[in-house]
Amino acid sequence: SQQGEEDPQALSIQEGENATMNCSYKTSINNLQWYRQNSGRGLVHLILIRSNEREKHSGRLRVTLDTSKKSSSLLITASRAADTASYFCAGWGGSTLGRLYFGRGTQLTVWP
Amino acid sequence: DAGVTQSPTHLIKTRGQHVTLRCSPISGHKSVSWYQQVLGQGPQFIFQYYEKEERGRGNFPDRFSARQFPNYSSELNVNALLLGDSALYLCASSFQTSGDIQYFGAGTRLSVL
Repeated sequence: SQQGEEDPQALSIQEGENATMNCSYKTSINNLQWYRQNSGRGLVHLILIRSNEREKHSGRLRVTLDTSKKSSSLLITASRAADTASYFCAGWGGSTLGRLYFGRGTQLTVWP
Repeated sequence: DAGVTQSPTHLIKTRGQHVTLRCSPISGHKSVSWYQQVLGQGPQFIFQYYEKEERGRGNFPDRFSARQFPNYSSELNVNALLLGDSALYLCASSFQTSGDIQYFGAGTRLSVL
């Protein structure tokens, strides 16, 4: 079952705009990761934020984590057409070791 | 260094057949996990193996099995294929069993007719 939910399910923006995706999760998690997936291919790891961190930056990416609200957000600044992809949040946690819980993903489309 | 490699990339089978998918982890990674991703959904955890032992199993029937070899590569086997087994099967490797970055391969696209 899906333990995370991304919001919105789909997002369409113009190049140069910022894209914000949110993730809420049900179980307590250890760390949270964001992944990108292009057209049904493998997942590319973007960023990991640990449960004791509140914010993390990597290039044009900014991730926040609020463990009290069980939510995270991914901000992509100055988006490019190449950022068009599905974005997933995934958390370690629950009763099964080694299991990453994924949400359904946000489909981001960036128009040139 | 090579990333996680999976073979084959595409596979077409008919109902009732069995299939074997293969995965080679990143060099030095001892943990291999398998996920199933159906269209429009996020990946669902199937198995994790670490040091050749099963460390976790998702909510999948016994038709799904896996193993890990001494070189840490892994195989996922699915018997008595059903139409609903059609999906992208993803393999991921990491240093540790939990809390670490998991690196994914490009996946095997399985179509069951």
